[in-house]
Amino acid sequence: DAEITQSPRHKITETGRQVTLACHQTWNHNNMFWYRQDLGHGLRLIHYSYGVQDTNKGEVSDGYSVSRSNTEDLPLTLESAASSQTSVYFCASSPLAGGTDTQYFGPGTRLTVL
Amino acid sequence: QKEVEQNSGPLSVPEGAIASLNCTYSDRGSQSFFWYRQYSGKSPELIMFIYSNGDKEDGRFTAQLNKASQYVSLLIRDSQPSDSATYLCAVNGGHYNQGGKLIFGQGTELSVKP
Repeated sequence: DAEITQSPRHKITETGRQVTLACHQTWNHNNMFWYRQDLGHGLRLIHYSYGVQDTNKGEVSDGYSVSRSNTEDLPLTLESAASSQTSVYFCASSPLAGGTDTQYFGPGTRLTVL
Repeated sequence: QKEVEQNSGPLSVPEGAIASLNCTYSDRGSQSFFWYRQYSGKSPELIMFIYSNGDKEDGRFTAQLNKASQYVSLLIRDSQPSDSATYLCAVNGGHYNQGGKLIFGQGTELSVKP
């Protein structure tokens, strides 16, 4: 069955380290998104991509980067992890428009920066 | 002004009652409206989407949209304890033809008491 996966599911790292969170989908969706979820803030968009080689900044992109080299994957990199980046990170994907722009979410990665 | 607003709750209803969840949005150009359910520690899952003014029913769930008032709601009939979760309202925030970004509200926590 098609799905969207994230790895690792849990990660503890230290301030200043580079961290990469993986997101992989097998639906062949063109659109992929990264969100963070914190108490009191809901889901906030970090970066998104509408296709291979396309990346765009969301509302909370500082300190994060993404790259899209194929349809299936959109890894999220924290260049130099900060305690403020402790959060739960969700990846999502949606098909190219024409139908619904429903987003389907991965299981999430809980990141702790010490 | 937040783009998508929801009462954070918690909203508590007795089992078998109707739960009414409300959401307002600021962008009059929004065209797609979504309700996601999120159980504690899990990822958001789609319940319903609605594009046109009026009501859309799916089982015990009814989504209501009033674009003139910039208001979307979710009614849950015959509420069950298993409906206890946080409900996220999301609104299309990008160009529709690109299967665009969604703007999420902070979510309303629903508790259904047996």
